[in-house]
Order: sequence, then C-alpha cells, then structure tokens
Amino acid sequence: AQKVTQAQTEISVVEKEDVTLDCVYETRDTTYYLFWYKQPPSGELVFLIRRNSFDEQNEISGRYSWNFQKSTSSFNFTITASQVVDSAVYFCALRPYAGGTSYGKLTFGQGTILTVHP
Amino acid sequence: EAQVTQNPRYLITVTGKKLTVTCSQNMNHEYMSWYRQDPGLGLRQIYYSMNVEVTDKGDVPEGYKVSRKEKRNFPLILESPSPNQTSLYFCASSLSASSYNEQFFGPGTRLTVL
Repeated sequence: AQKVTQAQTEISVVEKEDVTLDCVYETRDTTYYLFWYKQPPSGELVFLIRRNSFDEQNEISGRYSWNFQKSTSSFNFTITASQVVDSAVYFCALRPYAGGTSYGKLTFGQGTILTVHP
Repeated sequence: EAQVTQNPRYLITVTGKKLTVTCSQNMNHEYMSWYRQDPGLGLRQIYYSMNVEVTDKGDVPEGYKVSRKEKRNFPLILESPSPNQTSLYFCASSLSASSYNEQFFGPGTRLTVL
C-alpha cells in the first residue's frame, strides 16, 4: 500500500519569509513518480512538479525548489521569499510506475494550508 | 484547448435524488479517474478507467457508479446520494496509467447533499 503524509496541517508566514512544506511517503515500488499540486482559493488543482524515483537531483523553478531524498522517503517543497499569492493548499502525491491495484492512481497527502500574510 | 471539463460545477441536492456528474476530456486520453476531496483527508480515488468499457474501484467506491462507453466521457453517478457524499469532486485524465503521464484535472464539482 502507498501512503503520503504531510504532517503540517497549516502554516502561517509573513510575506518574504521562506517556508518549507514537508512530504514523506511510503511505497514498496522501486519506481514511482512524485508530484506537488497547488490548490488556490478558487479550487482548481495546479500541477507544480513531477519527479521520478531515479532522479534525486534537487530542482529549482523561480522561487520554488524541491528537495527529493530517497533515503528518507521525503520530497519537500520550499518557497523562497513567499508572497500573498502563494496562499493556497499544497498537495504532495505519489503514483506508482506500473502494476498492481495502485496502477495509475495518484495517492495524495492530506494537504498543507499555507497562508502568507502581507 | 486541451482540457477536462466537469458539469455541474456546483450542485445542491437532497438525500436519495439520483444525480450524475459529467466529465469529458478532449485529449484522447485512455486513463480517467474520479477523486473526492475532504478536509484533512486530501484527495481519494473513487473509481478509475483504463480505457473504454474498463473500469474498476478505487479506495472509496461505495455509493458511486461509473461508466465508460466512450473514450472522452467518464460520468460519475450517485444513485441515492447521502449527506456523507457532500464533497468536492475532481475528474482527471492522463494519456495512460503510466506514472510518467501527467494527470490533468477538471475544475472540480462542489456537491452538497442535504
């Protein structure tokens, strides 16, 4: 069985602070993909990043960066110099590569509500 | 424009009144899926479909039905809705079930069952 845990239910920061959202996962698959999605107040799900289990290189995209550590089964997301527009619910998710009853399914974490105050 | 559409976007109904939430994608995707989102639980898969006429249960299928008669459409049916099905529902599609294929999500349907 797969499991994704986002232990931080809510985080509140002041604009320009850096913030890290934690994601820990469990899977028996050796090959899998990890994702982060953003859900702004309007409700839609916005894809942020996809990372496969063989690529442990950290990734940076503007103010966003992701730290994937297979040894600790973590895929953390950092927002540098946060802005009010970053306020949203953020979901971490895992999708197995192939096979089994989980094939194709995205397993989501519980989500972290990020509020950035001006 | 490549997209997944859902209708209706908002629905308030009463217990026991059958309803259907439609989902359609224009990307010729094989894999389609329904999720429900509840506070503190994230999104959980209800049903999925690997291709036309191939559907299977996800983690929380009780009280739901689906069909996949055409590749583009994957409606979610609630035969006798109950208040515990009040939730935000998302339809998603991807080229295939392979994990490297990104899942595209619809805009969501907010359902309230009184």
